[in-house]
Amino acid sequence: EVQLVESGGGLVQPGGSLRLSCAASGFTFHTYWMYWVRQSPGKGLVWVSSINSDGTTVEYADSVRGRFTVSKDYAKDTLYLQMNSLRAEDTALYYCARVNMAAAGTFDSWGQGTQVTVSS
Amino acid sequence: SYELTQPVSVSVALGQTAWITCEGDSVGDKSVHWYQQKSGQAPVLVIYRDTRRPSGIPERLSGSNSGNTATLTLTGAQAADEGDYYCQVWDSGTVVFGGGTKLTVL
Repeated sequence: EVQLVESGGGLVQPGGSLRLSCAASGFTFHTYWMYWVRQSPGKGLVWVSSINSDGTTVEYADSVRGRFTVSKDYAKDTLYLQMNSLRAEDTALYYCARVNMAAAGTFDSWGQGTQVTVSS
Repeated sequence: SYELTQPVSVSVALGQTAWITCEGDSVGDKSVHWYQQKSGQAPVLVIYRDTRRPSGIPERLSGSNSGNTATLTLTGAQAADEGDYYCQVWDSGTVVFGGGTKLTVL
């Protein structure tokens, strides 16, 4: 069974940092693109960052580029999102998701999300 | 940048049919995927490649896509169908989500 379990969220002051983790199991982690998607309270799904299967290509939404860094640890089958210089507008529930490029790029598995709150 | 537009909310009587639209420029030329998100839960893929259902998704959910509009159809709506629905496509290598539609079953 495919499982994605996020952790690392919490309350942080503006300008602070957090590192989110997403532990993957039940599939061959290094063969999938992985994404971070966030959802602000009462709002829709917004792409944040992505990393390809072998970690050679990373991309970021304009709103987080230069502040967030995505990475994979293949030994631990874990996806990370290092978030620096956090702002109030980064407050959201952060999901990691597996993207199945062989199935037209469907987000076929999602974690349960980890809450990030940026507030003084 | 490419945009997908969904109605904010749709209401349907129990047992009736609901249609949730997803509008975008020539969206019919793209593969549209649909996700259901129930309250407090992560999204779940319910339709992919316009019309296909993943295993375990009931047949009362179906999809279509043509021109500038993709449509998710729920036939015989049940209380369990309440939630938010999002369409999604890829445009120039970037993922695009619609704004989401809240489905209420009356």
